[in-house]
Amino acid sequence: EIVLTQSSGTLSLSPGERATLSCRASQSVSSSSLAWCQQKPGQAPRLLIYGASSRATGIPDRFSGSGSGTDFTLTISRLEPEDFAVYYCQQYGSSPLTFGGGTKVEIK
Amino acid sequence: QLQLQESGPGLVKPSETLSLTCSVSGGSISSSIYYWGWIRQPPGKVLEWIGSIYNSGSTYYNPSLKSRVTISVDTSKNQFSLKLNSVTAADTAVYYCARDGYNQKRPFDYWGQGTLVTVSS
Repeated sequence: EIVLTQSSGTLSLSPGERATLSCRASQSVSSSSLAWCQQKPGQAPRLLIYGASSRATGIPDRFSGSGSGTDFTLTISRLEPEDFAVYYCQQYGSSPLTFGGGTKVEIK
Repeated sequence: QLQLQESGPGLVKPSETLSLTCSVSGGSISSSIYYWGWIRQPPGKVLEWIGSIYNSGSTYYNPSLKSRVTISVDTSKNQFSLKLNSVTAADTAVYYCARDGYNQKRPFDYWGQGTLVTVSS
């Protein structure tokens, strides 16, 4: 099983600032099968990034993903008020499918 | 637009079986090339994939839950279902259904809103 570790539990940032979130895998994620999703309280997760760096349909270009192998990053270039939420990474390269523990981006 | 909606009892007694159904609209399970999956999230905790099913009935499960889980599909109703037996308080969670693109090298992309299931006597 691939364990995903999101080391930053909470990021306290201001609107307009840049957010950099990390996700480290316990073993290499095949075919860069790494996704990022956003979850707001009481809502289902929303897919942001797949294939490590491809934005899902309708996702603003302030969201970008990078990385390969075991280290991946989600960057939000300029935080908008609606971006304050919890972000999860997910690997879908091998079964069992697994999720990271999440990083909460909160308003400073 | 593809939509998924979970339904089922919100309260289950310990040792009994949790049963949920996911209804899919805006697309057909029978003609889909994707799997359809269940994921859960205990209150304040991490997302956990439970298992997924293809329209043919082919399934794959998380080994941590495999012994207690059955996922089935009813293409005539455009639904798929989850059964989790011998539940305990640890199975209390929000249960989500989602489209699973594992066989297409795609992640979960469309999700239901989730339904809270509480295990309590």
